Amino acid sequence: DTAVSQTPKYLVTQMGNDKSIKCEQNLGHDTMYWYKQDSKKFLKIMFSYNNKELIINETVPNRFSPKSPDKAHLNLHINSLELGDSAVYFCASSIGRVGTGELFFGEGSRLTVL
Amino acid sequence: SQKIEQNSEALNIQEGKTATLTCNYTNYSPAYLQWYRQDPGRGPVFLLLIRENEKEKRKERLKVTFDTTLKQSLFHITASQPADSATYLCALDHPHRAGNNRKLIWGLGTSLAVNP
Repeated sequence: DTAVSQTPKYLVTQMGNDKSIKCEQNLGHDTMYWYKQDSKKFLKIMFSYNNKELIINETVPNRFSPKSPDKAHLNLHINSLELGDSAVYFCASSIGRVGTGELFFGEGSRLTVL
Repeated sequence: SQKIEQNSEALNIQEGKTATLTCNYTNYSPAYLQWYRQDPGRGPVFLLLIRENEKEKRKERLKVTFDTTLKQSLFHITASQPADSATYLCALDHPHRAGNNRKLIWGLGTSLAVNP
């Protein structure tokens, strides 16, 4: 039974398209995150939500819009995709308020923009 | 701003030996520091958390130390096995603007290969 699941695992798309990645956690955690891991393997936080409330927005372009319909789901929509958006996007969750305690990660969604 | 440095070169060791990985930070000491393991094509998996008032933490074959004077954490795997081969990431908590929220900032990781 997967704790943090994200779909799709792979996306290949053209520049200018719009795409979405979905994430669900069944751990009962209050906080969820989106991270971006680039080709150099650097892991950087993008957004964090606590009980559906946006807590961290780490100077991400407006083309990225997260949505949390409930505390178990955090989706990421990306408009007008650019080459530099190619990366692996990880969803994660944690107990309690943002930035405390261990993170549980999904398997990642590899986005390739052509 | 806070910078995290982990050995950029891959670490190759023989099975059965102890692997020691280093995480250095440059600025303030974090309230806590975490270590994760990441396998190719997978998400990071939490291993250990150590707080600023703890010098050492152990879990089975894993040991983490935290030296706020040296601004360094060491991660040890004793009796290493080929299955321990992976990239190991350290992460530090960091205040996020106003309020009580914090975020993790991450090192680039060190790749460990344990040879049979």
